[in-house]
Amino acid sequence: AQRVTQPEKLLSVFKGAPVELKCNYSYSGSPELFWYVQYSRQRLQLLLRHISRESIKGFTADLNKGETSFHLKKPFAQEEDSAMYYCALGSSGGSYIPTFGRGTSLIVHP
Amino acid sequence: DTGVSQNPRHKITKRGQNVTFRCDPISEHNRLYWYRQTLGQGPEFLTYFQNEAQLEKSRLLSDRFSAERPKGSFSTLEIQRTEQGDSAMYLCASSSFYFGPGTRLTVL
Repeated sequence: AQRVTQPEKLLSVFKGAPVELKCNYSYSGSPELFWYVQYSRQRLQLLLRHISRESIKGFTADLNKGETSFHLKKPFAQEEDSAMYYCALGSSGGSYIPTFGRGTSLIVHP
Repeated sequence: DTGVSQNPRHKITKRGQNVTFRCDPISEHNRLYWYRQTLGQGPEFLTYFQNEAQLEKSRLLSDRFSAERPKGSFSTLEIQRTEQGDSAMYLCASSSFYFGPGTRLTVL
């Protein structure tokens, strides 16, 4: 069975501080991993996916298969980064059924 | 607006009533997903369509829930004989990655 664990419900930092939102997964196949973000009163939107290996809004995430992790990082947090962040695991193969973590609320204080 | 739309945005109903939600995906997308999200949780997969074919259904989806996508375009999710435990946000996603704003259901 596939599972996504986001151990922190809430992460509170000050502007300019580094941020790391943790995500661990459990999956026997070849995983596809994603980070989604939901700003206040907005819909859920895709932030980044591991296969694209790009930086979006200063955020990066590296897939570590040995540690089964896909942590989201940003070196200098901004107030506008305050949002809910969800890690998601997509199953490979014919049926693509994403599994989401419960989310981490990031609050960036001025 | 060319994004995913859902109607209604809010629905309040009494226990035992039937409700139906609609999702209009991005027009060229073949896959359409339905999720349920409760407070403090991430979205939970309910079902998905490839064009008009319903390919997967979660074990969470009881027989009171039914979904259709008759012409491979918009989709409807119906809940019959609603229960208080059905209160949640119901999300639709187009092609996996593009989410609608959701329909918030409150069952009294």
